Amino acid sequence: GAGVSQSPRYKVAKRGQDVALRCDPISGHVSLFWYQQALGQGPEFLTYFQNEAQLDKSGLPSDRFFAERPEGSVSTLKIQRTQQEDSAVYLCASSLEVRTYNEQFFGPGTRLTVL
Amino acid sequence: AQSVTQPDIHITVSEGASLELRCNYSYGATPYLFWYVQSPGQGLQLLLKYFSGDTLVQGIKGFEAEFKRSQSSFNLRKPSVHWSDAAEYFCAVGGLLSGGYNKLIFGAGTRLAVHP
Repeated sequence: GAGVSQSPRYKVAKRGQDVALRCDPISGHVSLFWYQQALGQGPEFLTYFQNEAQLDKSGLPSDRFFAERPEGSVSTLKIQRTQQEDSAVYLCASSLEVRTYNEQFFGPGTRLTVL
Repeated sequence: AQSVTQPDIHITVSEGASLELRCNYSYGATPYLFWYVQSPGQGLQLLLKYFSGDTLVQGIKGFEAEFKRSQSSFNLRKPSVHWSDAAEYFCAVGGLLSGGYNKLIFGAGTRLAVHP
């Protein structure tokens, strides 16, 4: 009965390092979203998975950002060669079905700081 | 382009006073509207949502919101604020333009402080 979990909760990276952020959605949820929340801003959509298929990656800011959900459950957001502008909270959300009115359940986020 | 505007960055109210947080949206179709609350270190929690029907919707924790199509607004209200309501509040819009799934567009948020 656990909610969406994310790890690590905090990550400090030196500029140029690669990072991997993990999301464990609620069991059985078909849809999985990643959002980026910069300081003082609302979340912004990054990418969407329906089961293992990545159907929308229109929000990924550059080709340094890559996401996967190979078995349709756990998802990983990878950022290569991190830059200072990547510093933000990365939120994962899942919902039971695909329909537009389904509630998204959010995880606590991973706060990434790039030095 | 779709967008959400929350005009108030910070609001301070006294405990027991009434509250209204403003939200205006721009969306090229019938919108689905949401209010989320975010407490420090916590994920976003859904307060309420509007899809169709009665334009006044009730949510959790005593919150309600009214959809006004003519004003493109979806303001959040609470008649009596509690100290535990201090948090950041986000308005979001989604709907049929999201490609069949609920890609949400969020406002920048309103930070609520509650004085004892």
